[in-house]
Amino acid sequence: DTGVSQNPRHKITKRGQNVTFRCDPISEHNRLYWYRQTLGQGPEFLTYFQNEAQLEKSRLLSDRFSAERPKGSFSTLEIQRTEQGDSAMYLCASSPTSWEQFFGPGTRLTVL
Amino acid sequence: RKEVEQDPGPFNVPEGATVAFNCTYSNSASQSFFWYRQDCRKEPKLLMSVYSSGNEDGRFTAQLNRASQYISLLIRDSKLSDSATYLCVVEGGVNKFYFGSGTKLNVKP
Repeated sequence: DTGVSQNPRHKITKRGQNVTFRCDPISEHNRLYWYRQTLGQGPEFLTYFQNEAQLEKSRLLSDRFSAERPKGSFSTLEIQRTEQGDSAMYLCASSPTSWEQFFGPGTRLTVL
Repeated sequence: RKEVEQDPGPFNVPEGATVAFNCTYSNSASQSFFWYRQDCRKEPKLLMSVYSSGNEDGRFTAQLNRASQYISLLIRDSKLSDSATYLCVVEGGVNKFYFGSGTKLNVKP
């Protein structure tokens, strides 16, 4: 399967714990996006990388959130001191151009 | 005001019907527009881009009205397999995309 992959697919954690998600984009896609989606809503933009550079970051991304893309390949999204409001589906997408985005299956986070 | 607004529906239509969705956006400087489809518990997938001149792909037609800041999606001869949530997407800045909340379509036999 050469699509976007995300791990883990599901994560249950207790409030206050740190979690880290991984996204492996389609090979040679230099653009990578992170989104958050809650029930009944569309994906909300969190951040964007072009290669290893983080070029855009939403104001939704509080200081507890950090994303990296070392070497311009896979990316990680870390949430520190999780809160119940962080419960959502976290989607990663990659793109070879400035338009079509290919989404991964997402990581569903539940904060108890 | 939200960047992109859509009627959440659901739109319940019989097979073979024609159905249309609209979506409004707030940033008049937006240049790129798309429709994505999202099946239940699945990731979004690009359905089609929306060009200034409008574009058609089989049973699907997308239109852009810059003056009124809305885009539309028309589905003709609806199939059961068209049942999904349709997400309107607007580029709000360089490589920053805003998704609407989606319009749910149920096509019934």
